[in-house]
Amino acid sequence: QSVLTQPPSASGTPGQRVSLSCSGSSSNIGSNYVYWYQQLPGTAPKLLIYRNNQRPSGVPDRFSGSKSGTSASLAISGLRSEDEADYYCVAKDDSLSGPWVFGGGTKLTVL
Amino acid sequence: EVQLVESGGGLVQPGGSLKLSCVASGFTFSASSMHWVRQASGKGLEWVGRIRSKPNGYATAYGASVKGRFTISRDDSKNTAYLQMNSLKTEDTAVYYCTSDYSVLFDYWGQGNLVTVSS
Repeated sequence: QSVLTQPPSASGTPGQRVSLSCSGSSSNIGSNYVYWYQQLPGTAPKLLIYRNNQRPSGVPDRFSGSKSGTSASLAISGLRSEDEADYYCVAKDDSLSGPWVFGGGTKLTVL
Repeated sequence: EVQLVESGGGLVQPGGSLKLSCVASGFTFSASSMHWVRQASGKGLEWVGRIRSKPNGYATAYGASVKGRFTISRDDSKNTAYLQMNSLKTEDTAVYYCTSDYSVLFDYWGQGNLVTVSS
């Protein structure tokens, strides 16, 4: 049971916009930054979004992050087949669960 | 080019020990906190622990499932981080990744190293 809650699966068609959610509590998302990572099949995770809504260089602007209260979202617009991957949210936790807690991950399928 | 190269994984019996290494290049290793994250087959990512840099006293922290059994250390002269795993359990079987916190949390990742705990 992960501290941060993500839906196990999501799907979309090419060109569509999808939003992946991440729900936490006041001790993690509510009081700390959220980070998002993309894990393509058989590879190591890759940083996608940091500090709620910042994109590292090289990450397309099709990817965007947001946070409101104790929840966060990752939006992917103009969905492409290569976006099919697992997506994880991460936040620091100020309670005994911490310091860093992951969501269970969302497997995104591009139909 | 930034690289994190892990080694030391393999098969170990329950109750045994194993030490993983992570050699870094392409960035100022000594300035970075280093973390270990693991992933059991078909499962999600789990934070294992981290060690901070020298200015931060090389402070360590661990996840609840490994606290008291795993120890993270580093040798800045060798650009290497270590994960010493003792009293291993079958549920510790996973791919272990080292990852940096140089500019941003988990900004660079190693390729992963499989640890299998089985009799």
